[in-house]
Amino acid sequence: SQQGEEDPQALSIQEGENATMNCSYKTSINNLQWYRQNSGRGLVHLILIRSNEREKHSGRLRVTLDTSKKSSSLLITASRAADTASYFCATDRLNRDDKIIFGKGTRLHILP
Amino acid sequence: GAGVSQSPRYKVAKRGRDVALRCDSISGHVTLYWYRQTLGQGSEVLTYSQSDAQRDKSGRPSGRFSAERPERSVSTLKIQRTEQGDSAVYLCASSLLRRNSPLHFGNGTRLTVT
Repeated sequence: SQQGEEDPQALSIQEGENATMNCSYKTSINNLQWYRQNSGRGLVHLILIRSNEREKHSGRLRVTLDTSKKSSSLLITASRAADTASYFCATDRLNRDDKIIFGKGTRLHILP
Repeated sequence: GAGVSQSPRYKVAKRGRDVALRCDSISGHVTLYWYRQTLGQGSEVLTYSQSDAQRDKSGRPSGRFSAERPERSVSTLKIQRTEQGDSAVYLCASSLLRRNSPLHFGNGTRLTVT
C-alpha cells in the first residue's frame, strides 16, 4: 500500500523560478527522504529529515516536515534546466517494519 | 568506490519463463531492497533483507518473487512463471544501516515479458 503521495503529479516552471513539491503520508514515521530520478537511471538520494526535525537545507534544496499534518515539502530555489527529473518522497513507518516506501513522484520540467 | 550495479540492463523473456536479475550492492551495506517501478504504480517494494543473508522479508506477498543473498553484497531476484504484467523496471537499492540511512540505487533492469 502507498504510504506517501506527492503533489502535484507534474509541474512545469520557467528556469530561475522556485519549484515546490509536496508529500503527504498516512502513518507516523521515523524519517522522510526525498529522492530524484533522471530518465533511465536509478533514484538518487537528496535529503533525509528525521521526525523530530522541522526544516533542513542542502544547497538549493529546502525540505520542511510537519508531523502534525503528516506532510512534507521540497523546495528547489532558482531552478535550472538540469533539475528536470522526477522527485519522490519516501517514508518508513514508526514502530512497524523498517521498510522504506516510495510515493508515485512529481515530474518536474524546467522550461528554458 | 563502486556504487550499486545491476545486470542485465535489459531483459526480454517469454511469458511463463523464469528470470533472474542480479544486484551487486555496496560492500558493508546491511539492508538490500528490490523495487519494481512502473509508470502507473510508482516504486513497489518486492523484497528486502537486513544483514541476515538469505533472509527475505517479502514486501509483496507472492509465490513468484523471491530474492537470494548468497553474499552480503550480492542479491539475485528470481521471478517465476513471468507474466506480461511483470514488464517493468526492477531497481535494487542498499543502505548502510537498518534505518535512518539513505538508499543507494542501481540503474535498474528493464524487463519486457512478451
